[in-house]
Amino acid sequence: DAGVIQSPRHEVTEMGQEVTLRCKPISGHNSLFWYRQTMMRGLELLIYFNNNVPIDDSGMPEDRFSAKMPNASFSTLKIQPSEPRDSAVYFCATDGGQGAEKLFFGSGTQLSVL
Amino acid sequence: TQLLEQSPQFLSIQEGENLTVYCNSSSVFSSLQWYRQEPGEGPVLLVTVVTGGEVKKLKRLTFQFGDARKDSSLHITAAQPGDTGLYLCAPRRGSYIPTFGRGTSLIVHP
Repeated sequence: DAGVIQSPRHEVTEMGQEVTLRCKPISGHNSLFWYRQTMMRGLELLIYFNNNVPIDDSGMPEDRFSAKMPNASFSTLKIQPSEPRDSAVYFCATDGGQGAEKLFFGSGTQLSVL
Repeated sequence: TQLLEQSPQFLSIQEGENLTVYCNSSSVFSSLQWYRQEPGEGPVLLVTVVTGGEVKKLKRLTFQFGDARKDSSLHITAAQPGDTGLYLCAPRRGSYIPTFGRGTSLIVHP
């Protein structure tokens, strides 16, 4: 298995532009998590899905952020409009569920908003 | 809200030295996980501890869960450059919503 695949690995954009981050989970994993990592705040949970349904989005910083999981093999995190303070590494992680309780992380997307 | 304290925040040592990093909280946890994150990659699970006082060993790494299940430690014996990375603790209370401490950034110099 190729593991959790995120794209792009790096994204540089200008303030005000729309940014879309993509994640392909491990096949068969039922839960998907989006995290954001910064030096100041560490690894923060933004939102998580179970069986493609958003369960908890309380970590999403504001309305500029949205996430979707249209099917079991794909998820997106969108920021519109982007701001410099959104610069961070964004991780997608999945878990097999049913008590597996082991997160598998992608390699992350390094986002820089100028 | 940061519920966890990981210490030290940074650690720079020479190859062959021993070290201990800590994960502390005032809350009781049902279990706790340790992850290691190498530069440019996502975190990777090292171990899960469940029982108060539990000790688990992974080669040169020794993990301990506090008796009261509020804290944990990770001890590395004879550190190697390959141990370099960010060590994150991820405790769990009840429902499975993984949260992480800020981590201890370890650099082991050859």
